[in-house]
Amino acid sequence: DTAVSQTPKYLVTQMGNDKSIKCEQNLGHDTMYWYKQDSKKFLKIMFSYNNKELIINETVPNRFSPKSPDKAHLNLHINSLELGDSAVYFCASSLTGDGYTFGSGTRLTVV
Amino acid sequence: DQQVKQNSPSLSVQEGRISILNCDYTNSMFDYFLWYKKYPAEGPTFLISISSIKDKNEDGRFTVFLNKSAKHLSLHIVPSQPGDSAVYFCAASVRGGSYIPTFGRGTSLIVHP
Repeated sequence: DTAVSQTPKYLVTQMGNDKSIKCEQNLGHDTMYWYKQDSKKFLKIMFSYNNKELIINETVPNRFSPKSPDKAHLNLHINSLELGDSAVYFCASSLTGDGYTFGSGTRLTVV
Repeated sequence: DQQVKQNSPSLSVQEGRISILNCDYTNSMFDYFLWYKKYPAEGPTFLISISSIKDKNEDGRFTVFLNKSAKHLSLHIVPSQPGDSAVYFCAASVRGGSYIPTFGRGTSLIVHP
């Protein structure tokens, strides 16, 4: 009965590959997010998405794209992976304005 | 530009004592503040929050204090327990805006038995 689940937990891939990370929430929340925790441990917002609006952090390269088949899912697709994309990616969800529920993270390593 | 700063990367405390984790922010528009706790290999979990209309919020052993004039908040844990050992993230948001919190880089708390 995991509230926010993301898969895979670990992902090792070569530079230049395209990969996806999946996220699903069963909380009935209306908004989902992707955060990146970099090597300096900052949690930085990448995307915020509900059925009305996609908010993109302008610092996110356009190689990253969120895809939402329905309001319970927000997948993260990454094209042409680079070494600097190595990080832990967290999915989260909320009812607008309330606290977040985070997934357990996906550690991406690009080699 | 770090709008939310946690200047202490780590804090070590004896079991039973008080743990005080500090957080400073620069954006005066922030009106809602949250603390999250994170264990290794897990996502952050919500701990406690405070609205800018208050200066204190208490939940069991956890109390958050907000000093708006100083743009400073702190999380007090009394008494500290070994199970409190985790990384604590401070976050701030504008509730009348996008609501999306801005996080600090976290403080690693170690509580020694």
